[in-house]
Formats: sequence, C-alpha cells, structure tokens
Amino acid sequence: ILNVEQSPQSLHVQEGDSTNFTCSFPSSNFYALHWYRWETAKSPEALFVMTLNGDEKKKGRISATLNTKEGYSYLYIKGSQPEDSATYLCACLLNDYKLSFGAGTTVTVRA
Amino acid sequence: EAGVVQSPRYKIIEKKQPVAFWCNPISGHNTLYWYLQNLGQGPELLIRYENEEAVDDSQLPKDRFSAERLKGVDSTLKIQPAELGDSAVYLCASSPAGLAEQYFGPGTRLTVT
Repeated sequence: ILNVEQSPQSLHVQEGDSTNFTCSFPSSNFYALHWYRWETAKSPEALFVMTLNGDEKKKGRISATLNTKEGYSYLYIKGSQPEDSATYLCACLLNDYKLSFGAGTTVTVRA
Repeated sequence: EAGVVQSPRYKIIEKKQPVAFWCNPISGHNTLYWYLQNLGQGPELLIRYENEEAVDDSQLPKDRFSAERLKGVDSTLKIQPAELGDSAVYLCASSPAGLAEQYFGPGTRLTVT
C-alpha cells in the first residue's frame, strides 16, 4: 500500500484569505496524481489529474502544482469562500492501476 | 450525464446481520471500484472490476465480504456477517478505463451496532 500523506489534517481559513496544503507521495512507479473535493453528504468531485513533473492546473480560484521528482503536490485556494469548505483528498495512481488516497485536509472557511 | 448511483445512502444494522450495497456506474464505464473509507482515513480499494471480471480483489476480506458484477454494469457488495468494525463509508467509483479519472458515487454510510 502506497504511503500518501496530506498536511495539515485540517485548517480554518477566514473568508477572503488564501490558503494551501500539501500532498506527499513516493515518486517511484508514479503515473498520476488526483485531487478530489469531498463535501459532506455528496460524492467526491474530481478537481485535477496531473501526470507530468511541473504540471500546474487551475479551476476557478483553486489551483494545483506537481513535483514528481521530490514527490509532492500543492493545492491552493485563492480568496477562500464558504463554499470551499470541504475535505480535499489527494490520490496517487501507480501504473498498477491502484489509486492510493491520503487521509485528506479538511478546510473550514469562516465567514 | 447521470453520475454514479449508490443505494442505500445510509444503513444501520446489528452485528452478525448481512448487508448489501448496490452501485450503478456511469453508462459506458467499463471499470468499477469499491472503496472502504474509515473515519479520518482516505478511501481504500476493496475490489476493481474490468467489465464483469474482478481483476484486483487482493484487499477484499473474503471471509465475510463478497462482490459481483454479473452483467458488467451494476454491482453489489455484500457483507455477511457484519462486525462492529465494518462501520464505515462504502464508496463506488467508475471510470472509462483502468488508468482514467474515477467518478465517485455519494457512498453508503454503514453503522453496525
């Protein structure tokens, strides 16, 4: 089982502030890095899939970067809004088709 | 496009009872996954299907868990008998191919008392 770690486990952000958090993973046999947003009582929603070292993806106020050589990815939220409150999961896909998830970072945006 | 459908959304049973979860993947998605998510942890793969074939069930506790995807479309995951430690969220996901992006259902939250 691949050891995917996310930090911090949780964070509180004031509305309007920006924040970021980390996903680290072993870099051998790497195929792709997925980010999901999971709101309570809803389905996990795919945010980004990144495969190449140096990849940067953006979706509205949320963006992510990937460093496959050192085994980490950052997710950034710019100008946090209450609707950004969710658990953000990263998952590392190896070329054996196994998607290994981190435990998530739970973001709470305070109005 | 309809998403991945799971039912029931919530289930409460007593220990030693059987329970079954149902998943209908996105139309045309050949690959189907069942995940287990314990509180405070990330989802963990239980089983992966390619069409009707279970190609990875190495993490499925086969003494009490079973799964089927008879026609290569919808799938059922069963636990018999359930134990207290089985309380968790059971997620189903599908993808068009094995290494493609996975689409998740809302999960079934199981509570075993």
